[in-house]
Amino acid sequence: DIQMTQSPASLSASLGETVTIECRASEDIYNGLAWYQQKPGKSPQLLIYNANSLHTGVPSRFSGSGSGTQYSLKINSLQSEDVASYFCQQYYDYHTFGAGTKLELK
Amino acid sequence: QVQLKETGPDLVQLTQTLSITCTVSGFSLTTYNVHWVRQPPGKGLEWMGAMWNGGGTDYNSAFKSRLSISRDTSKSQVFLKMNSLQTDDTAKYFCARNYYDGTYYYYYVMDAWGQGASVTVSS
Repeated sequence: DIQMTQSPASLSASLGETVTIECRASEDIYNGLAWYQQKPGKSPQLLIYNANSLHTGVPSRFSGSGSGTQYSLKINSLQSEDVASYFCQQYYDYHTFGAGTKLELK
Repeated sequence: QVQLKETGPDLVQLTQTLSITCTVSGFSLTTYNVHWVRQPPGKGLEWMGAMWNGGGTDYNSAFKSRLSISRDTSKSQVFLKMNSLQTDDTAKYFCARNYYDGTYYYYYVMDAWGQGASVTVSS
């Protein structure tokens, strides 16, 4: 089974800052990676698929990158509405969720 | 528009059976796959299983034989049934639609979610 290691587990950032969250797979997942955002008390929402494809309606300040076993989600110019937990998910070989990153405002 | 809504009990007794219904609108169950995902309080996401658009199912082996997923396409409903509930089954249970861009199914990627059904297992 492919394991996903997501980091950091939590982070605190200021408005307007650029934030990066990372996911490392235990083996090559060939860009089969999605990112979800889950705001407090809400259901998860798809942000990114295929490692770098922005899902419909997602603000362009979100971007995904990476290849092989290393992937990242970047949020440019952090907004207050970006306070949420973020989860990665590999779907190259069956599927696995990362443990999540809780993003708070500093 | 696309909607999914879970309905089920708030409270289930220890060792009893949980039944949750996911009612969908805005898309067809014969075109889209539907997944079940749960989230214990304060924890991460755990995929439970899926109902494929052709009527087949897929299950997380962690639930062994105590989980069953079925559907009624005429009512646009997908059903989750899990028996022998324990306290660590306390969670929010989500149904979610599999992402399909009209050409390609992104298996296990979920592009629309219900609001979730919170279930507490009580002793």
